[in-house]
Amino acid sequence: KAGVTQTPRYLIKTRGQQVTLSCSPISGHRSVSWYQQTPGQGLQFLFEYFSETQRNKGNFPGRFSGRQFSNSRSEMNVSTLELGDSALYLCASSLPGLAGGPSTDTQYFGPGTRLTVL
Amino acid sequence: AQSVTQLGSHVSVSEGALVLLRCNYSSSVPPYLFWYVQYPNQGLQLLLKYTSAATLVKGINGFEAEFKKSETSFHLTKPSAHMSDAAEYFCAVTFIGTSYGKLTFGQGTILTVHP
Repeated sequence: KAGVTQTPRYLIKTRGQQVTLSCSPISGHRSVSWYQQTPGQGLQFLFEYFSETQRNKGNFPGRFSGRQFSNSRSEMNVSTLELGDSALYLCASSLPGLAGGPSTDTQYFGPGTRLTVL
Repeated sequence: AQSVTQLGSHVSVSEGALVLLRCNYSSSVPPYLFWYVQYPNQGLQLLLKYTSAATLVKGINGFEAEFKKSETSFHLTKPSAHMSDAAEYFCAVTFIGTSYGKLTFGQGTILTVHP
């Protein structure tokens, strides 16, 4: 099976712009989670989607948003970019729990998108 | 609130020596615990996971971890370090029935292996 893929791998933007990152989960996985990784804050949870619905959200401003499509692919968007948004953005996919409930199944991570904001 | 603490942001060992990376968690409900490894410019790769079955968990590349409820710990070990083990290691926790798709990570431990 192909792993989780993320595009693009690298992005350079300037302050005030917006950006869209894409994530394709492992075939059959319907839950997609997004994380931000920075040297100062480490790995922080952004949000999770299942069946095109956001089920959980981390403590990030509204500039960070996402969506999931019917084929389980997911995108995240960051509007009005700030210097502090420079980070590695990781997505992870997993199987949902029974009846779509919370799952403790393994999350499989993509290689990430490295975003640099100038 | 649930949390994970990794003791030691940097650990250095000689090739062939024991690797011990420490992880402690704080939780009011039974946790599910994971260790991931990250190589430079890559995503996270699962090493092993604890999901309330056996307390001693064996993972890939010779790593294992033991869940100790009394000590709220889940330390990662490997009997003999290899140069290829040099990477950053993350302990993570999630909890059944509380949080969809959210892993809470420790701050990471960078492992250096000297020849």
